[in-house]
Amino acid sequence: RKEVEQDPGPFNVPEGATVAFNCTYSNSASQSFFWYRQDCRKEPKLLMSVYSSGNEDGRFTAQLNRASQYISLLIRDSKLSDSATYLCAEGDSSYKLIFGSGTRLLVRP
Amino acid sequence: NAGVTQTPKFRVLKTGQSMTLLCAQDMNHEYMYWYRQDPGMGLRLIHYSVGEGTTAKGEVPDGYNVSRLKKQNFLLGLESAAPSQTSVYFCASRDLAGRDTQYFGPGTRLTVL
Repeated sequence: RKEVEQDPGPFNVPEGATVAFNCTYSNSASQSFFWYRQDCRKEPKLLMSVYSSGNEDGRFTAQLNRASQYISLLIRDSKLSDSATYLCAEGDSSYKLIFGSGTRLLVRP
Repeated sequence: NAGVTQTPKFRVLKTGQSMTLLCAQDMNHEYMYWYRQDPGMGLRLIHYSVGEGTTAKGEVPDGYNVSRLKKQNFLLGLESAAPSQTSVYFCASRDLAGRDTQYFGPGTRLTVL
């Protein structure tokens, strides 16, 4: 079983919609989680870190559910510019990150 | 402050040729990483380094070698390129004292014919 799993999508939503992605992880001892945004043919860029129950930054909210071993990313009031692939990552105890395969979001006018 | 840079940005190789990808960071980070990313797949760790002079294998190390002779540079070598190594290669770095946040370079697109 893959350690970090994501629905590949694509999620196709209209501008202004609220959309949520989940990411499941298998290591119950993991302490840190991340959401990265990756635009086509570009490098991943950190969107949010999640170390405890959750984190909020403007229209973006990340939640951690330890009991069910998943993290979620909620995007409110979607913009066209939010179209991208969203990668979740789990930090292991040996300085490495384990990435999911990414969820593709398409925001249409 | 350039962050993480990678050289070259693009390269086409023939099977059996060798090359070295260079990653440089100016943030004085201790940890550096090489990943490859293939279509429909996430980032897979090739090799990483937790400090100058140290290297360790990641998830997919076969066919690659690395060196970290200077803290700011992390080199990825392909001794005998194969078509299966056609990919986008990303380098990343991380601070020792900070959280696990990794910062990525712009990537190198490698095609092996």
